Amino acid sequence: SQQGEEDPQALSIQEGENATMNCSYKTSINNLQWYRKNSGRGLVHLILIRSNEREKHSGRLRVTLDTSKKSSSLLITASRAADTASYFCATDSFANAGGTSYGKLTFGQGTILTVHP
Amino acid sequence: GAVVSQHPSRVICKSGTSVKIECRSLDFQATTMFWYRQFPKQSLMLMATSNEGSKATYEQGVEKDKFLINHASLTLSTLTVTSAHPEDSSFYICSASLGDLFYEQYFGPGTRLTVT
Repeated sequence: SQQGEEDPQALSIQEGENATMNCSYKTSINNLQWYRKNSGRGLVHLILIRSNEREKHSGRLRVTLDTSKKSSSLLITASRAADTASYFCATDSFANAGGTSYGKLTFGQGTILTVHP
Repeated sequence: GAVVSQHPSRVICKSGTSVKIECRSLDFQATTMFWYRQFPKQSLMLMATSNEGSKATYEQGVEKDKFLINHASLTLSTLTVTSAHPEDSSFYICSASLGDLFYEQYFGPGTRLTVT
């Protein structure tokens, strides 16, 4: 499987329900980020959780990180129809090329979330 | 704030021609810009990282002579696909950040390239 692999690939829920998406990765990371993409628009950064953090909240979003299991979850509480989008996790880790170190984001394939009104 | 634009949004070109894609950070100065490519049903793959005023760092397997990147200013980076072939048809996405180490990235809407 790829670095930053999301599960499930698609999720369909009713408005008001909670949506949980999971992400697994393979290598060590500095941080893990979640992004959302609406149709016709670019990726939007949602939340960043550092490798030394276990949980982070932002509004209706709750992200957990378990570095021992190399996994993360994104929980959207009280979902709304406007939350319908694709959600991607991305791991941020060190990369090195030609003696230059830089942070490299590696994306998963995403989870398509559909929230029905 | 933190808006990144790309131009064009779609381009169709003939095999053998070159195509330039622009990426602009509209309301902030981007020290670092990233170029990604996404093939159908696959995840975004980083192609290269560029810092303003210096040469781009390319990911393994990405030909630097084919994908020319110019990051001439803190608000503009260009990706030129030279001598395009049908297999270069893809969705190209840029992002911009305040630095190259673990900063939040702001993504452009992407450019759909079709090479006939």
